[in-house]
Amino acid sequence: SQTIHQWPATLVQPVGSPLSLECTVEGTSNPNLYWYRQAAGRGLQLLFYSVGIGQISSEVPQNLSASRPQDRQFILSSKKLLLSDSGFYLCAWSRDGFEAFFGQGTRLTVV
Amino acid sequence: GIQVEQSPPDLILQEGANSTLRCNFSDSVNNLQWFHQNPWGQLINLFYIPSGTKQNGRLSATTVATERYSLLYISSSQTTDSGVYFCAVERDYGGSQGNLIFGKGTKLSVKP
Repeated sequence: SQTIHQWPATLVQPVGSPLSLECTVEGTSNPNLYWYRQAAGRGLQLLFYSVGIGQISSEVPQNLSASRPQDRQFILSSKKLLLSDSGFYLCAWSRDGFEAFFGQGTRLTVV
Repeated sequence: GIQVEQSPPDLILQEGANSTLRCNFSDSVNNLQWFHQNPWGQLINLFYIPSGTKQNGRLSATTVATERYSLLYISSSQTTDSGVYFCAVERDYGGSQGNLIFGKGTKLSVKP
């Protein structure tokens, strides 16, 4: 069966520090991968998606970037965090763009 | 872009009651999912239902794609049903990337 791992679960970072969140999927190959953000407890917004290694599409302009160095690994990064980057970040995967499955999320607080 | 509206925004039930949650969307979709977000933030898949009707235990869902809405039914509610229920869709543009647009959710509180 397929599983998705996301870490860390919580993170507190100072303004201006770098960020790296990692997501890996097991039990499938060539998945579609996604990063979503949930701010203020409601509503998820798609940040990035990837249909293959090195293929990244951004949905919204922002202070973040994403990379997919391996087939089942998706990384969310920032060079310098802003207060507005605080939120709950969720990684997800799907097979060919159909049913999506989410990781447990990372709660990021920028102080 | 496509708009997704969920109603009601908040719902308080007594344990054992039934409820219906609604999701309206403004364009044709090729993907519709219902999720339950538990108090720890995890999104639990309930249904993948771009059209038709499905049932899973006390939960069932119906999507009428031609009329652009979906309904989630919860019967005999339990306190563990509490949380936020999200509807998410992908607009049908002839392809499928799985890029979901989420509604704002329905926050359900089930009282013992």
